Amino acid sequence: GAVVSQHPSRVICKSGTSVKIECRSLDFQATTMFWYRQFPKQSLMLMATSNEGSKATYEQGVEKDKFLINHASLTLSTLTVTSAHPEDSSFYICSARGNNNEQFFGPGTRLTVL
Amino acid sequence: DAKTTQPPSMDCAEGRAANLPCNHSTISGNEYVYWYRQIHSQGPQYIIHGLKNNETNEMASLIITEDRKSSTLILPHATLRDTAVYYCIVRVAGGNAGNMLTFGGGTRLMVKP
Repeated sequence: GAVVSQHPSRVICKSGTSVKIECRSLDFQATTMFWYRQFPKQSLMLMATSNEGSKATYEQGVEKDKFLINHASLTLSTLTVTSAHPEDSSFYICSARGNNNEQFFGPGTRLTVL
Repeated sequence: DAKTTQPPSMDCAEGRAANLPCNHSTISGNEYVYWYRQIHSQGPQYIIHGLKNNETNEMASLIITEDRKSSTLILPHATLRDTAVYYCIVRVAGGNAGNMLTFGGGTRLMVKP
Protein backbone atom coordinates (compact mmCIF):
# COMPACT_ATOMS: atom_id res chain seq x y z
CA GLY A 1 0.00 0.00 0.00
CA ALA A 2 0.85 3.72 0.24
CA VAL A 3 1.63 4.24 -3.42
CA VAL A 4 2.01 7.69 -4.92
CA SER A 5 2.10 8.19 -8.67
CA GLN A 6 3.13 11.14 -10.81
CA HIS A 7 2.26 11.93 -14.37
CA PRO A 8 3.99 12.49 -16.65
CA SER A 9 7.30 10.88 -15.72
CA ARG A 10 9.14 13.20 -18.07
CA VAL A 11 8.15 16.14 -20.23
CA ILE A 12 9.92 18.36 -22.71
CA CYS A 13 8.36 21.68 -23.56
CA LYS A 14 9.17 24.93 -25.31
CA SER A 15 10.04 28.06 -23.40
CA GLY A 16 6.94 30.11 -22.58
CA THR A 17 4.52 27.21 -22.42
CA SER A 18 2.83 25.83 -19.30
CA VAL A 19 3.20 22.31 -17.97
CA LYS A 20 0.92 20.48 -15.56
CA ILE A 21 2.21 17.68 -13.33
CA GLU A 22 -0.20 15.40 -11.47
CA CYS A 23 0.41 13.69 -8.15
CA ARG A 24 -1.98 10.98 -7.04
CA SER A 25 -2.23 8.89 -3.89
CA LEU A 26 -3.45 5.56 -5.24
CA ASP A 27 -4.59 3.65 -2.17
CA PHE A 28 -5.01 6.24 0.53
CA GLN A 29 -6.40 9.70 1.03
CA ALA A 30 -3.99 12.55 1.53
CA THR A 31 -5.17 15.82 2.99
CA THR A 32 -1.65 17.15 2.63
CA MET A 33 0.76 16.78 -0.25
CA PHE A 34 4.17 18.32 -0.69
CA TRP A 35 5.98 19.46 -3.82
CA TYR A 36 9.78 19.33 -4.03
CA ARG A 37 12.25 20.37 -6.70
CA GLN A 38 15.66 18.84 -7.22
CA PHE A 39 18.40 20.22 -9.45
CA PRO A 40 21.23 17.95 -10.66
CA LYS A 41 23.55 16.77 -7.90
CA GLN A 42 21.58 18.70 -5.30
CA SER A 43 19.21 17.70 -2.55
CA LEU A 44 15.44 18.01 -2.59
CA MET A 45 14.11 21.47 -1.85
CA LEU A 46 10.57 21.90 -0.59
CA MET A 47 8.57 24.23 -2.82
CA ALA A 48 5.14 24.19 -1.27
CA THR A 49 2.69 22.39 0.98
CA SER A 50 -0.62 21.58 -0.66
CA ASN A 51 -3.72 21.20 1.50
CA GLU A 52 -6.94 19.75 0.13
CA GLY A 53 -9.57 22.40 -0.32
CA SER A 54 -7.38 25.35 0.59
CA LYS A 55 -4.56 27.44 -0.79
CA ALA A 56 -1.08 26.04 -0.89
CA THR A 57 1.65 27.34 1.40
CA TYR A 58 4.77 28.29 -0.52
CA GLU A 59 8.32 28.30 0.76
CA GLN A 60 10.31 31.50 0.69
CA GLY A 61 11.58 32.32 -2.75
CA VAL A 62 9.03 30.19 -4.63
CA GLU A 63 6.72 32.26 -6.83
CA LYS A 64 3.14 31.25 -6.23
CA ASP A 65 1.97 32.80 -9.50
CA LYS A 66 4.50 30.79 -11.46
CA PHE A 67 4.02 27.46 -9.72
CA LEU A 68 0.28 27.00 -9.44
CA ILE A 69 -0.85 24.26 -7.08
CA ASN A 70 -4.34 22.81 -6.95
CA HIS A 71 -5.40 20.14 -4.45
CA ALA A 72 -9.00 19.61 -5.45
CA SER A 73 -9.48 16.13 -4.01
CA LEU A 74 -8.05 13.90 -1.32
CA THR A 75 -6.12 11.87 -3.89
CA LEU A 76 -4.94 14.45 -6.41
CA SER A 77 -2.70 17.50 -6.36
CA THR A 78 -1.45 19.26 -9.48
CA LEU A 79 1.52 21.54 -10.02
CA THR A 80 1.42 23.80 -13.07
CA VAL A 81 4.62 25.49 -14.13
CA THR A 82 3.44 28.56 -16.01
CA SER A 83 5.46 30.31 -18.72
CA ALA A 84 8.27 27.81 -18.27
CA HIS A 85 11.86 28.87 -18.88
CA PRO A 86 15.00 26.76 -19.23
CA GLU A 87 15.95 27.52 -15.62
CA ASP A 88 12.76 25.73 -14.54
CA SER A 89 14.19 22.50 -15.90
CA SER A 90 14.42 20.22 -12.90
CA PHE A 91 13.21 17.02 -11.27
CA TYR A 92 9.87 17.65 -9.55
CA ILE A 93 8.83 15.24 -6.80
CA CYS A 94 5.63 15.11 -4.81
CA SER A 95 4.89 13.35 -1.55
CA ALA A 96 1.62 12.59 0.18
CA ARG A 97 0.97 12.39 3.88
CA GLY A 98 -0.96 9.35 5.00
CA ASN A 99 -3.21 8.81 8.00
CA ASN A 100 -0.26 7.95 10.24
CA ASN A 101 1.45 11.21 9.24
CA GLU A 102 4.15 9.39 7.31
CA GLN A 103 5.13 10.69 3.89
CA PHE A 104 5.21 8.65 0.74
CA PHE A 105 6.99 9.93 -2.33
CA GLY A 106 6.11 9.79 -5.98
CA PRO A 107 8.62 8.68 -8.63
CA GLY A 108 9.28 12.20 -9.82
CA THR A 109 8.77 14.14 -13.06
CA ARG A 110 11.71 15.33 -15.09
CA LEU A 111 10.93 18.63 -16.79
CA THR A 112 13.13 19.91 -19.59
CA VAL A 113 12.38 23.36 -21.00
CA LEU A 114 13.98 24.10 -24.33
CA ASP B 1 13.62 20.49 12.79
CA ALA B 2 17.15 19.69 13.98
CA LYS B 3 19.98 19.81 11.48
CA THR B 4 21.86 16.66 10.57
CA THR B 5 25.41 16.13 9.38
CA GLN B 6 26.41 13.24 7.13
CA PRO B 7 29.58 12.41 5.21
CA PRO B 8 29.09 13.34 1.55
CA SER B 9 30.12 9.96 0.19
CA MET B 10 31.07 6.43 1.17
CA ASP B 11 32.10 3.26 -0.63
CA CYS B 12 31.19 -0.26 0.38
CA ALA B 13 32.09 -3.65 -1.06
CA GLU B 14 29.22 -5.76 -2.29
CA GLY B 15 28.11 -8.27 0.34
CA ARG B 16 29.65 -6.34 3.20
CA ALA B 17 27.81 -4.27 5.76
CA ALA B 18 27.39 -0.58 4.99
CA ASN B 19 27.43 1.65 8.06
CA LEU B 20 26.20 5.17 7.39
CA PRO B 21 26.69 7.67 10.22
CA CYS B 22 24.60 10.73 11.03
CA ASN B 23 25.15 13.45 13.60
CA HIS B 24 22.15 15.26 15.05
CA SER B 25 23.53 16.87 18.19
CA THR B 26 20.67 19.40 18.51
CA ILE B 27 17.88 16.85 18.34
CA SER B 28 14.92 17.54 20.61
CA GLY B 29 13.27 15.02 22.87
CA ASN B 30 10.22 14.64 20.65
CA GLU B 31 12.10 14.34 17.36
CA TYR B 32 12.52 11.05 15.58
CA VAL B 33 15.40 10.00 13.35
CA TYR B 34 14.26 9.06 9.85
CA TRP B 35 16.27 7.55 7.02
CA TYR B 36 15.31 7.76 3.37
CA ARG B 37 17.27 6.86 0.28
CA GLN B 38 17.07 8.08 -3.29
CA ILE B 39 18.20 5.95 -6.16
CA HIS B 40 19.20 7.95 -9.21
CA SER B 41 16.27 9.66 -10.95
CA GLN B 42 13.69 8.22 -8.56
CA GLY B 43 11.70 9.59 -5.66
CA PRO B 44 12.95 9.07 -2.10
CA GLN B 45 12.19 5.73 -0.46
CA TYR B 46 11.50 5.36 3.24
CA ILE B 47 13.91 3.01 5.01
CA ILE B 48 13.44 3.17 8.77
CA HIS B 49 12.87 5.50 11.68
CA GLY B 50 13.30 5.48 15.45
CA LEU B 51 13.12 7.60 18.58
CA LYS B 52 15.66 6.18 21.02
CA ASN B 53 15.61 2.41 20.77
CA ASN B 54 17.45 0.55 18.06
CA GLU B 55 15.18 -0.52 15.24
CA THR B 56 15.40 -3.24 12.60
CA ASN B 57 13.28 -4.05 9.59
CA GLU B 58 13.70 -6.01 6.40
CA MET B 59 15.80 -3.29 4.82
CA ALA B 60 18.13 -2.07 7.54
CA SER B 61 18.97 -1.54 11.19
CA LEU B 62 19.08 1.80 12.96
CA ILE B 63 21.39 2.26 15.91
CA ILE B 64 20.80 5.41 17.98
CA THR B 65 23.30 6.44 20.64
CA GLU B 66 22.11 6.71 24.21
CA ASP B 67 22.37 10.52 24.16
CA ARG B 68 20.54 10.52 20.79
CA LYS B 69 23.08 12.89 19.30
CA SER B 70 24.06 10.50 16.54
CA SER B 71 22.87 7.41 14.77
CA THR B 72 24.06 4.80 12.29
CA LEU B 73 22.11 3.16 9.51
CA ILE B 74 23.31 -0.36 8.81
CA LEU B 75 22.67 -2.23 5.58
CA PRO B 76 23.80 -5.69 6.64
CA HIS B 77 24.68 -7.13 3.23
CA ALA B 78 24.97 -4.35 0.68
CA THR B 79 24.14 -5.10 -2.94
CA LEU B 80 24.78 -3.07 -6.07
CA ARG B 81 21.13 -1.98 -5.97
CA ASP B 82 21.77 -0.25 -2.66
CA THR B 83 23.85 2.38 -4.45
CA ALA B 84 21.96 5.58 -3.70
CA VAL B 85 21.97 8.82 -1.73
CA TYR B 86 20.97 8.20 1.88
CA TYR B 87 19.29 10.98 3.81
CA CYS B 88 19.14 11.22 7.60
CA ILE B 89 16.33 13.51 8.76
CA VAL B 90 15.12 14.38 12.23
CA ARG B 91 11.58 15.59 12.71
CA VAL B 92 8.59 15.44 14.98
CA ALA B 93 6.33 12.52 14.13
CA GLY B 94 2.64 13.32 14.05
CA GLY B 95 1.22 16.68 14.97
CA ASN B 96 0.24 19.45 12.64
CA ALA B 97 3.55 21.16 12.01
CA GLY B 98 3.19 20.45 8.31
CA ASN B 99 5.33 17.37 8.77
CA MET B 100 7.53 18.58 5.95
CA LEU B 101 10.78 16.76 5.51
CA THR B 102 13.92 18.89 5.29
CA PHE B 103 16.55 17.16 3.20
CA GLY B 104 20.23 17.83 3.78
CA GLY B 105 23.03 16.78 1.49
CA GLY B 106 22.85 13.10 2.35
CA THR B 107 25.54 10.45 1.87
CA ARG B 108 26.17 9.09 -1.60
CA LEU B 109 26.79 5.37 -1.04
CA MET B 110 28.58 3.55 -3.82
CA VAL B 111 28.46 -0.24 -3.55
CA LYS B 112 31.25 -1.77 -5.58
CA PRO B 113 31.59 -5.34 -6.87
